[in-house]
Formats: sequence, structure tokens, C-alpha cells
Amino acid sequence: AQSVTQLGSHVSVSEGALVLLRCNYSSSVPPYLFWYVQYPNQGLQLLLKYTTGATLVKGINGFEAEFKKSETSFHLTKPSAHMSDAAEYFCAVLIPWGNKLTFGGGTRVLVKP
Amino acid sequence: NAGVTQTPKFRILKIGQSMTLQCTQDMNHNYMYWYRQDPGMGLKLIYYSVGAGITDKGEVPNGYNVSRSTTEDFPLRLELAAPSQTSVYFCASSNPASLTDTQYFGPGTRLTVL
Repeated sequence: AQSVTQLGSHVSVSEGALVLLRCNYSSSVPPYLFWYVQYPNQGLQLLLKYTTGATLVKGINGFEAEFKKSETSFHLTKPSAHMSDAAEYFCAVLIPWGNKLTFGGGTRVLVKP
Repeated sequence: NAGVTQTPKFRILKIGQSMTLQCTQDMNHNYMYWYRQDPGMGLKLIYYSVGAGITDKGEVPNGYNVSRSTTEDFPLRLELAAPSQTSVYFCASSNPASLTDTQYFGPGTRLTVL
């Protein structure tokens, strides 16, 4: 069975500062990895995903994540935070050709002016 | 193309009442899912379906039932509502035939059981 751990349920950053959200996973086979964002009172929206190929993945709104197999990690970064980045972020893992996403507990990002 | 739609947006139930949460997708996706979201717990899978007439339990199925008579619709039934079912419920759909297996989520139903 797979699992996902997101370190830190809340992260506070200043506008313009680096955003770093940590995600570690465990899986019996190389998984697909996802980051979703949830804005207040909305559903989840795909931010980026890793399936195969290049380990540095670029997503929407300036976010990127790097798959590091040796560290079983898929941390999400953005060089410069914007007020509009305030949201909750979820890391998720999917076994290839499986049908069930497993989510981490989420990290809520607060952006200070 | 509306994607995944859910009704109602909000609902308050009394203990012991029942209700059906509706979910419809217009992307012709075979796979559909129901999740519940509780604070700090991420999303937990309740039930999923790989096609019309086929459903299976997820991680937290107790107290819920589903049916899938069409590709588009995947209603979630709550029988004998309990306070532990107070949560935000999300429906999602995906097409595993595609390379990416991305799941698309509806806007959610916020349910309170008093």
C-alpha cells in the first residue's frame, strides 16, 4: 500500500519569499505523483504531476516540483510567493494503471504582505 | 463542458435522516470517485466506480452506498446520518485510458449532521 506524508500542516511565508512544501511518499512500485491546490470553498485543482521522464516538473502559477526517487520525495516550490498563492496544497500518489489516489494531509499556506 | 458538478452545495441533516449527494460529469470518464475531506486528514476515498454498473469500496465506506447506472452519474447515499459524517464531500472523475490519469474534482458538498 502507498502512503503520503506532508511535513507541516501550516506554512507562513512573506510575499516574494520562497515557497517550499514538503512531500514524502512510500510505494511498492514507482508511482505517479501529483500536487493539487484547493482555494477556499472550492474543489481541488491539479497543479502539476509527475508520471515518467524528466524529474523536474513545471506546473501552473509558477510552481514546480522535483521527483527524487532516492529520497522518495516530491517537494513543491515557487521562487516568489504571491498573495494569490494562499490556499491548501495536497500531495497525492497513484500507482500506475491503478485507480485510487492516496492523499497527504495537506499544507495550508498563508502569505503575509 | 461543465466538468464535474455536485449538488447540493450545502446541507444540514438531523441524526438518523438520509440523503443523496448528486454527482454528474460530462467528460465521458469511466472512473468516478467519492471522497470526504476532514480537517488535517486530507481526502479519504469512500467509494469508486470503474464504469456503469461497477462499484467498489474505498478506505472509509461504512455508512454510505453508491450506484452507477450511467457513465455520467454517480450518486452517494447516506443512510441514518451520524455526526461523524459531518464533512465536505468531493466527487471526482478520471479516464485511466489517458497517460496521465488526472482526476478532476467537483466543487464539493458541505454536510453538517446535528
